[in-house]
Amino acid sequence: EVQLLESGGGLVRPGGSLRLSCAASGFTFNTFAMNWVRQAPGKGPEWVSAISATTGDTYYADSVEGRFTISRDNSRNTLSLLMDSLRADDTAIYYCAKDAFGDYLGAFDVWGQGTMVTVSS
Amino acid sequence: EIVLAQSPGTLSLSPGERATLSCWASQTVRNNYLAWYQQKGGQAPRLLIYAASRRATGIPDRFSGSVSGTDFTLTISGLEPEDFGVYYCQQYAVSPRTFGQGTKVEIK
Repeated sequence: EVQLLESGGGLVRPGGSLRLSCAASGFTFNTFAMNWVRQAPGKGPEWVSAISATTGDTYYADSVEGRFTISRDNSRNTLSLLMDSLRADDTAIYYCAKDAFGDYLGAFDVWGQGTMVTVSS
Repeated sequence: EIVLAQSPGTLSLSPGERATLSCWASQTVRNNYLAWYQQKGGQAPRLLIYAASRRATGIPDRFSGSVSGTDFTLTISGLEPEDFGVYYCQQYAVSPRTFGQGTKVEIK
């Protein structure tokens, strides 16, 4: 069964840092681009960041560029997101999502259950 | 950035009725690289349709997608009780990949 399992969410103060992780199983991890997508309470999803399977190329939404860092470990089938300088508007459920078409930025065919990040003093 | 606008905001229908959801793109979506997702309360979104009209694996054929220019449509022909929820469109033609604001399909 294809599965993504996020961890690392929690409550953090503005300006603080948090590291999210996503454990992947059931598919050939090193052949698919991977993403983080977030959803603020009552809002639609927002793509945050992506990383290529093979080249390691990274992509970021303007709203997180310079503050968030995506990485992956293909030997451990894990995806990470290091979030620095967190702000209140970063509060959201963060989902790990698999690209549907291999190492190509496409639709998201598998999602994790999400991990909640709350930024508040 | 491609902006996606969905309408209506809420659709109130009875089981068995036909649902028609719209998604308008602010510019041409290359190769019609548009997807539709379903989200139920407390769950992650689920991919229904990609490339405007191709059903994802395991999606029933009552779900169909179509396109005319920059206007995309998701049709559910005969609503089942499990189809009620929020539907989002998403373009993946250019970065950043963007989502619409959603259409809620609720039981009338």
